[in-house]
Amino acid sequence: AQTVTQSQPEMSVQEAETVTLSCTYDTSESDYYLFWYKQPPSRQMILVIRQEAYKQQNATENRFSVNFQKAAKSFSLKISDSQLGDAAMYFCAYRSPGGGADGLTFGKGTHLIIQP
Amino acid sequence: GAGVSQTPSNKVTEKGKYVELRCDPISGHTALYWYRQSLGQGPEFLIYFQGTGAADDSGLPNDRFFAVRPEGSVSTLKIQRTERGDSAVYLCASSLGGWVTDTQYFGPGTRLTVL
Repeated sequence: AQTVTQSQPEMSVQEAETVTLSCTYDTSESDYYLFWYKQPPSRQMILVIRQEAYKQQNATENRFSVNFQKAAKSFSLKISDSQLGDAAMYFCAYRSPGGGADGLTFGKGTHLIIQP
Repeated sequence: GAGVSQTPSNKVTEKGKYVELRCDPISGHTALYWYRQSLGQGPEFLIYFQGTGAADDSGLPNDRFFAVRPEGSVSTLKIQRTERGDSAVYLCASSLGGWVTDTQYFGPGTRLTVL
């Protein structure tokens, strides 16, 4: 079974600065998908960014980018120019290429605090 | 509707009671997932529906938990003889299909408290 580990329970950053959230995972599969989800106090999980393991190029979405190191099984999220609205829980998630079965496997999350 | 909706938003029940949690997916989405999020944890997969059938229920913790999706749209998660350990937020997600590339859209969850 796959496992996802987020070693930072909480991170704090000044508004407008850059912060990196860490994620490692364990799998024996060679092809898979990785995700970062944001969960604000409203509880609704929102997809931030996605990375396909077969792609060497790191995914980017506006201020959000990832550093995907397949050999190290590492998948960190970088948030540039942090904004107050970025404050939330962030979850790293893994999914097997088979699709529906198994759903997503999530880490325990990192609570991101934005200091004004 | 515009997004995934879940009712009720909060549910308080007593140990041993039966509860039903409802999920209304995005119209046209054939895939539906249930997750359970305990305090301080990430969501944990429970069950996946493709259409009306449960394609994967390997995450259901025991036989007190059951879910249905009779018409391939709305789904109900049913918990019998609730225990205090069942207290958690129950999240529902839907996607256009069951492909891994199909984005899962989550609802706001139902917070279940078992006294």
